Amino acid sequence: DGGITQSPKYLFRKEGQNVTLSCEQNLNHDAMYWYRQDPGQGLRLIYYSQIVNDFQKGDIAEGYSVSREKKESFPLTVTSAQKNPTAFYLCASSPSPGTSYEQYFGPGTRLTVT
Amino acid sequence: AQSVAQPEDQVNVAEGNPLTVKCTYSVSGNPYLFWYVQYPNRGLQFLLKYITGDNLVKGSYGFEAEFNKSQTSFHLKKPSALVSDSALYFCAVRDPIHGSSNTGKLIFGQGTTLQVKP
Repeated sequence: DGGITQSPKYLFRKEGQNVTLSCEQNLNHDAMYWYRQDPGQGLRLIYYSQIVNDFQKGDIAEGYSVSREKKESFPLTVTSAQKNPTAFYLCASSPSPGTSYEQYFGPGTRLTVT
Repeated sequence: AQSVAQPEDQVNVAEGNPLTVKCTYSVSGNPYLFWYVQYPNRGLQFLLKYITGDNLVKGSYGFEAEFNKSQTSFHLKKPSALVSDSALYFCAVRDPIHGSSNTGKLIFGQGTTLQVKP
């Protein structure tokens, strides 16, 4: 988990509220990613960013939004439009999307919406 | 479309025995393949990868994986399992390069729980 921090570790929200998950990396990586993990479904890509001030939708972007104003930060907002937001959220980074480098993962944030 | 399959939800082995966690893939072009491990309520830790070269790849904590192009497989192995190896294991393939487009996205299998009993 070294080099990537996610906060908070656990987050509880009421239905209808937006919530922002933090992801910070000090690895000087260009690319950053947000994944959602549900039991038995592996990881699914929400959004990714290859460079500052640029990001693209992943496979399940509906109900989520991101920003990439700084190289080291890639916050994820879970909006009230996300129908089933309770999940484990993982942030990752890699030196560059155009290489064979592996992705480095943060410790994750478990979001519970009731 | 690219995909990864891990055919076993759970693998049970006795401590000291060899272990295998299976992974097959479907991808256009040459695959970049990865194995990650996840302990409860933690992020994923990188174990090893295959990019090119020798089909047998050695990684962290005594794990290795064998790339088999004809069978489109990348099975994870360890000669002697430890109780501390018990965790959730993910196989992943990187989205291949298409011209100037390269997202670096990883496509994950659904995961295999490894249970090592003393």
